[in-house]
Amino acid sequence: EVQLVQSGAEVKKPGESLRISCKDSGHSFTSYWITWVRQLPGKGLEWMGRINPSDSYSDYSPSFQGHVTISVDKSISTAYLQWSSLKASDTGMYYCARLSMNPGAWNLFDPWGQGTLVTVSS
Amino acid sequence: DIQMTQSPSSLSASVGDRVTITCRASQSISNYLTWYQQKPGKAPKLLIYAASSLQSGVPSRFSGSGSGMDFSLTISGLQPEDFATYYCQQSYTTRYTFGQGTKLEIK
Repeated sequence: EVQLVQSGAEVKKPGESLRISCKDSGHSFTSYWITWVRQLPGKGLEWMGRINPSDSYSDYSPSFQGHVTISVDKSISTAYLQWSSLKASDTGMYYCARLSMNPGAWNLFDPWGQGTLVTVSS
Repeated sequence: DIQMTQSPSSLSASVGDRVTITCRASQSISNYLTWYQQKPGKAPKLLIYAASSLQSGVPSRFSGSGSGMDFSLTISGLQPEDFATYYCQQSYTTRYTFGQGTKLEIK
């Protein structure tokens, strides 16, 4: 069974940097994309961006472009979401998910990681 | 970006009821519509893809329909474990967007 295991909760101060991770336990890391989704406290799901682990191509929602960076390390089947300067408004839950871009795969987000709670507070 | 609008935002129902949640896209998305279920403190779970195809392992009381701009998710015979928040999502474009969610609560 494929699982995406995310790193643990983080508490940071405004202006600090952060990188959270998403490790794919399957054996096909470069066959699927990884996508990231934000959920602010008590709010809905927002798509942030995605990355193709095979060539590290990434793209972002305009809402997140320039504020976060998505990357991968193929050697350890892990994707990352990072911030160079956090804001209090970044407080929320962040999920990674496998994204199938194969023809006929309907671009599904499945499975999802368990989520990483990021708290930014002075 | 394509806007996805769900209704209602919240819904109260009883075990055994039949409920329908609707989702409207701001432009035609063919049948690139996915439904997810999210329980409190948990990650979303894929229920239905391609507007009407049931994901493996999902109970048959869940069904989806629609194409173009208008879609619906129906749960026939609500079970206690179905009380959750449901989201629709379009994947017609790669700027994926979600509906705002529908919270299904026990009456």
